[in-house]
Amino acid sequence: GDSVTQMEGPVTLSEEAFLTINCTYTATGYPSLFWYVQYPGEGLQLLLKATKADDKGSNKGFEATYRKETTSFHLEKGSVQVSDSAVYFCALRTYNQGGKLIFGQGTELSVKP
Amino acid sequence: GAGVSQSPSNKVTEKGKDVELRCDPISGHTALYWYRQSLGQGLEFLIYFQGNSAPDKSGLPSDRFSAERTGGSVSTLTIQRTQQEDSAVYLCASSLALGGGQETQYFGPGTRLLVL
Repeated sequence: GDSVTQMEGPVTLSEEAFLTINCTYTATGYPSLFWYVQYPGEGLQLLLKATKADDKGSNKGFEATYRKETTSFHLEKGSVQVSDSAVYFCALRTYNQGGKLIFGQGTELSVKP
Repeated sequence: GAGVSQSPSNKVTEKGKDVELRCDPISGHTALYWYRQSLGQGLEFLIYFQGNSAPDKSGLPSDRFSAERTGGSVSTLTIQRTQQEDSAVYLCASSLALGGGQETQYFGPGTRLLVL
């Protein structure tokens, strides 16, 4: 079945460091891909998305490129801030069950000043 | 309101009691989804609605779980005879449509359920 695998956390970085959170997927066809973020005490928020191969999603300095050949959707940011501390979830949208989302296990990011 | 709202935000109940969780989707969103987030299972899909219809209930973990949606808007997730393993955060999401580029799901803040 469809699945998403993320790198395990927690990830601890210093402010202004480069961030990569790896995400790979297994799916039937070519699903849409998403990154959601959950800040402490808050709900899931959409961070960015890509709907087809080679698309690049971007928002708030974060980027991710839909790579069909490697079935990956890695999240990157060139310079993280303390305010980026959160849990990040990679997800794919399936073709069945109304387009339900399948999530990775989440990666906790902690950015120190 | 501007976003998806859920109530209550927290619920503590005793094992064996029934609970009802409510979701108010974004106005005009035809699709509605329920997920739950727990330490052991991560984020898992439960059920979706297109309008008032739930075409596939196979994601519900047991027959103690049921859900309905009325007026194409508010949805209620009911858990009967709660068990301790039902303790989790229950998340609701809505999208404008099931496809056509309008399928992005927007999540509510969740209901944190604790079964003692």
